Amino acid sequence: NAGVMQNPRHLVRRRGQEARLRCSPMKGHSHVYWYRQLPEEGLKFMVYLQKENIIDESGMPKERFSAEFPKEGPSILRIQQVVRGDSAAYFCASSPGNPSLNQPQHFGDGTRLSIL
Amino acid sequence: SQELEQSPQSLIVQEGKNLTINCTSSKTLYGLYWYKQKYGEGLIFLMMLQKGGEEKSHEKITAKLDEKKQQSSLHITASQPSHAGIYLCGATIMRFGAGTRLTVKP
Repeated sequence: NAGVMQNPRHLVRRRGQEARLRCSPMKGHSHVYWYRQLPEEGLKFMVYLQKENIIDESGMPKERFSAEFPKEGPSILRIQQVVRGDSAAYFCASSPGNPSLNQPQHFGDGTRLSIL
Repeated sequence: SQELEQSPQSLIVQEGKNLTINCTSSKTLYGLYWYKQKYGEGLIFLMMLQKGGEEKSHEKITAKLDEKKQQSSLHITASQPSHAGIYLCGATIMRFGAGTRLTVKP
């Protein structure tokens, strides 16, 4: 049973370009979470999605960032007009149902985004 | 919102030594997750604690939840280089501590 798959593992973009990060949850998981981790810092929650719905986007910047989890295919975190401050590791996690203490999240290996 | 503070921020121990990492919450803890992150990789789920006073073990790693103190501790016995990494605590959903960076010297 494959775990959470993120791609690409490394992504380099120039300022002003768009970055697309993909996340395929574990089989049977319908809930996806995106986090950002800056160097030497902890994980910061960005957005929580269920199939075709955004449940909680309270951690996501209002501008340039968007996320989707379509009925078919992976979840996508999209960053438009990237800036140097967007350089970070972006992690995706998934869980089978409503987030609760009975269902821990399983994490992917992350996408390391570097902005030149 | 609930804040989680971990201590120490970093820890260097000699192989074979025991160590403890703490996670303190600003609000009542109804449960807690512990994860380990290897450098440059994703998070690996270690264990989940739900009840006050609960204690769980995974190989040489033991974690306790003390609801009264709004705290959890993670204890590693006879540390090995393979234990090196960043240990993060998480509460309810989507909230994590900043992590404790553990280095084990052979």
